[in-house]
Amino acid sequence: SYVLTQPPSVSVAPGKTARITCGGNNIGIKRVHWYQQKPGQAPVLVVYDDSDRPSGIPERFSGSNSGNTATLTISRVEAGDEADYYCQVWYSSGDHVWVFGGGTKLTVL
Amino acid sequence: QVQLVESGGGVVQPGRSLRLSCAASGFTFSNYGMHWVRQAPGKGLEWVAHIWYDGSQKYYVDSVEGRFTISRDNSKNTLYLQMNSLRAEDTAVYYCARGEAAPGDVPLYFDYWGQGTLVTVSS
Repeated sequence: SYVLTQPPSVSVAPGKTARITCGGNNIGIKRVHWYQQKPGQAPVLVVYDDSDRPSGIPERFSGSNSGNTATLTISRVEAGDEADYYCQVWYSSGDHVWVFGGGTKLTVL
Repeated sequence: QVQLVESGGGVVQPGRSLRLSCAASGFTFSNYGMHWVRQAPGKGLEWVAHIWYDGSQKYYVDSVEGRFTISRDNSKNTLYLQMNSLRAEDTAVYYCARGEAAPGDVPLYFDYWGQGTLVTVSS
């Protein structure tokens, strides 16, 4: 199975830049997708295919992926960005499997 | 606009069965693969099952293989999850999610999610 590793928590002051990492074996050759989930709400896709943004997602959200680490970067962090963030990949080992990282709680100080 | 509305959750005893439904609207349901994703209380997201756009292929996480069955009725724009032999560890909010891909391609990510339905397995 393929394991994605995220830090449990990241803290950042308003207006600063938050970076949330997602580690996986040679993850750079996979496409990584990121979701934001606020308390009591369904997840929302914020970055897909490593670095693309769905319509309606602010440009402050960006992604990168290389080697063994993918990163979600949130610039000019706002209080409303406080949420859990999950990375996700698809892989095939005969069967198709979709895997999530354990999630990172972003706290805006 | 895309809407996914889950129903069918509730409290069920261990070993019993439950069927979840997800009513889809706002897009051509028969063109998209669909998923079930769950989230145990206070825990992270776990993909559960996927069904191809035409129902021809189905995939499951190992922990539910042989107990859960995903299906769809494209004439009713509805996705289902039949859950048998339920266990306490199946307690979670179950989300249906659309897989973004052209028909016949593997959907790599989930572009729209429902609000979820809570399943509690307890005696």
